[in-house]
This record gives sequence, C-alpha cells and structure tokens, in this order.
Amino acid sequence: ETGVTQSPTHLIKTRGQQVTLRCSSQSGHNTVSWYQQALGQGPQFIFQYYREEENGRGNFPPRFSGLQFPNYSSELNVNALELDDSALYLCASSPGTSGVGGELFFGEGSRLTVL
Amino acid sequence: GENVEQHPSTLSVQEGDSAVIKCTYSDSASNYFPWYKQELGKRPQLIIDIRSNVGEKKDQRIAVTLNKTAKHFSLHITETQPEDSAVYFCAAIVTGGGNKLTFGTGTQLKVEL
Repeated sequence: ETGVTQSPTHLIKTRGQQVTLRCSSQSGHNTVSWYQQALGQGPQFIFQYYREEENGRGNFPPRFSGLQFPNYSSELNVNALELDDSALYLCASSPGTSGVGGELFFGEGSRLTVL
Repeated sequence: GENVEQHPSTLSVQEGDSAVIKCTYSDSASNYFPWYKQELGKRPQLIIDIRSNVGEKKDQRIAVTLNKTAKHFSLHITETQPEDSAVYFCAAIVTGGGNKLTFGTGTQLKVEL
C-alpha cells in the first residue's frame, strides 16, 4: 500500500456550496499535489504544496485553494461549487519537488458529485 | 504548456497477444515519462517510467520506448493477461515543473479470453 489516505471517499454537494477534502501523505513525503479527474479523462493538475506553501498551480480558478500542515497533510477547498466540479479528486505525495520524478504515490481519491 | 496526446482510446486484444499504446508530447523540455494503470474505482499506479536520457526500458512483460526527436513514447505489453485489463495513462513532466504531471486522455485496454 502507498500510505496516502484521503477523506471522505464519496460526497454529494449542491451548486454554490463549499467542500473540503483531506489528504494524509505517505510517511516521509513532504510534497503533496492535487489532481482533478473527470469521468473518462486523465487527471488534471490543480496545485502542489511544499513546506506549507503552494509552489505550482494548474489552470484552475482561485475558488480552488489549499493548505498544507506541518505534518505534511493537506486540504483542498473548493468554493461556490459548480456542476463541472463533479470529479474524482486525487491527492499524490512525493518525497520532494524534483521535476524529474520521483514516483508520485496517489491516494484512492475523493469522489465529489455536485447536484 | 505541455500537451500529451494518447492513442488509441480503446484497445481490445486476445489473451496472449501484444498491446501497444502511443503518446506524443509537445514540450521538448519534458524529460520524465511515467505510465500509470488505473483499475475501475482505484488509484492510478505507476507501472513503468522512462527518462529522456534512455531510449527503451523493460520490466518483464512491459516495455516503454522513447523517441525524443519525434516527441513520442509508447507502452508495449506482451503476452497480455485478463488482469492487464484497465485504463492506462501516459504522462510527462516538464523540467523544473515540480510534480505537475500532464496526463494523456487514457486508453481502455480489454484483454479477452
């Protein structure tokens, strides 16, 4: 097992609501990145956190925000939910920020449905 | 930014046959190319990767080839088995891009008995 855990596993929200997703990184991993995977699509990079600061962001609006805590766990917050936000949200941890991989260890994801 | 195209979107093979999935990338600065296998409802799992200073890498029944000039890389699975059935994603990382993987759109591989 990779050791990356995410919660909740499934949740349903309505348009306009806010959601917080949580991720515990694998032991020893100080970098967490978040991906959105829409049905039938590849994961899309949202952002990455290293040492409690965002240090890379994909093409997502500011209503997608995050935090990383001193124990390297992380949260993804999405405000003003839209129907298109329905997706599997994947958290991945790695032991560093090197752009030349290091395997990313993915969690099982949080499946968000927006009605 | 980087763009990764993947073909085919679906692939059906008979057990024991070989399967090939192809990807192209746009950014010549990309230098790490992992392949992930995702079973239904599961997390993506790394199955093999290749760096830009290598042209080919093999791990048992799985191999990956990279052509930097043409900016394409391929996954080869030999002697396919039913448990190989899954969605496969290629990805690329741009140098200095942290862990920002750009994924392809995926290939649904079905191995039939």
